[in-house]
Amino acid sequence: AQSVTQLDSQVPVFEEAPVELRCNYSSSVSVYLFWYVQYPNQGLQLLLKYLSGSTLVESINGFEAEFNKSQTSFHLRKPSVHISDTAEYFCAVTSISNFGNEKLTFGTGTRLTIIP
Amino acid sequence: DVKVTQSSRYLVKRTGEKVFLECVQDMDHENMFWYRQDPGLGLRLIYFSYDVKMKEKGDIPEGYSVSREKKERFSLILESASTNQTSMYLCASRVSGIYNEQFFGPGTRLTVL
Repeated sequence: AQSVTQLDSQVPVFEEAPVELRCNYSSSVSVYLFWYVQYPNQGLQLLLKYLSGSTLVESINGFEAEFNKSQTSFHLRKPSVHISDTAEYFCAVTSISNFGNEKLTFGTGTRLTIIP
Repeated sequence: DVKVTQSSRYLVKRTGEKVFLECVQDMDHENMFWYRQDPGLGLRLIYFSYDVKMKEKGDIPEGYSVSREKKERFSLILESASTNQTSMYLCASRVSGIYNEQFFGPGTRLTVL
C-alpha cells in the first residue's frame, strides 16, 4: 500500500517570497511522484513529475521539486511566488508495477495563498 | 487541445434520487477515473476503468456504480443519493500507463438535500 502526507493544509506567503510545500510518501516499492495544481474553480492539472533520472524536476512556471529517497520526500519549492500561484497543490504517488494501470494516491492538499 | 468535460458544474438532488454524472473525453484515452474531493480529505478514487466495459473499484466505491459503454464516456451513478454524498466529483482520463499525466475535468459540485 502507498500513502501521501501533506502536513500543511494552508500556507500563506507574501508575494515575491520563497515557498516550500511539503510532501512525504510511504511505499514498500519504487514510486513515481507527481505534483498537481488546482486553480480556483478548475480541475487539477499536472505541475511536474518524477519518474527516474535526475532527482530535481522543474515546471515551466518556476516550481521545482526534489525526490529524496532516504527521507521519502518530494517537496515543492519556488524561489519567488506570484499572485497567480494562488491555488491548491496536491502531491500524488503511484507504485511501479508490472500492470501498467496502477492508480494514483493523492495527498490531502495544501492551499497556497499569496499575500500582496 | 486536451478536453475532459463533465455534464454539469452544479447539481442539486434529493435524498433517494438516482443520479447520473457524465464525463466525456476527446483524447482517445484508455483509462478513465472518478474521484470525489472533500475539504481536508483530498481526492479519493471511487472507480476507474482501464478500457471500454472494464472497471475496477477504487478506495470508496460504496454507494456508487459506473458505466463505460464507449471509450470516450464514463458515467458515475449514485443509485440512491444520500446527504453524505454531497461533494465535488472530478473525472479524469489518461493514456494507459501509470507514469502518464491524468487530465481532469472542471468538476461537478453535487448537493444532496
